[in-house]
Amino acid sequence: AQSVTQLGSHVSVSEGALVLLRCNYSSSVPPYLFWYVQYPNQGLQLLLKYTSAATLVKGINGFEAEFKKSETSFHLTKPSAHMSDAAEYFCAVSETGGYQKVTFGTGTKLQVIP
Amino acid sequence: DADVTQTPRNRITKTGKRIMLECSQTKGHDRMYWYRQDPGLGLRLIYYSFDVKDINKGEISDGYSVSRQAQAKFSLSLESAIPNQTALYFCATTGGEGQPQHFGDGTRLSIL
Repeated sequence: AQSVTQLGSHVSVSEGALVLLRCNYSSSVPPYLFWYVQYPNQGLQLLLKYTSAATLVKGINGFEAEFKKSETSFHLTKPSAHMSDAAEYFCAVSETGGYQKVTFGTGTKLQVIP
Repeated sequence: DADVTQTPRNRITKTGKRIMLECSQTKGHDRMYWYRQDPGLGLRLIYYSFDVKDINKGEISDGYSVSRQAQAKFSLSLESAIPNQTALYFCATTGGEGQPQHFGDGTRLSIL
């Protein structure tokens, strides 16, 4: 069964600093990979997705993620944090074929310090 | 209007009560999902449906049931609610393989 590991349930960065949120997955074949963001009292919204077209994926709000097959990682980065980036971020993996079951990581809460 | 609408947004009820959470979507997607979110556990899949005649259990289906009334409607029921079913519940849809999921705003359910 596939699994997703997000290192760090809470991450704090200063405004203007680099944001790095880590995601590692286990899958026997390259899966589909996603990052979602959740603001308070809202559902999850798609930030970006990897579907094998390119290893570096650009998303909304200045975020990007790099797929590294050798490391089974899909870390999320943003060069300069903004106060509005404070939210919870979820990495997700979807199988290929069959029912394409989606597995979510446990989430990382990002705090941005002014 | 939201693409995925969940009702109610909040519900407080007592142990043993029957509860139904409803989800409707205007995305035209065949695939619909129910998740629950608990702090520190992320989202866990309760049930999913690929069309009105195809319903499947997820990883935590015990104590829950679902009904796919139409392509656009997928409801989740708790036949006899218990306190450890207190959680945030999300409905989601997707258009197909490799496509992202589209989420409702959730139902916050508290069982006393």
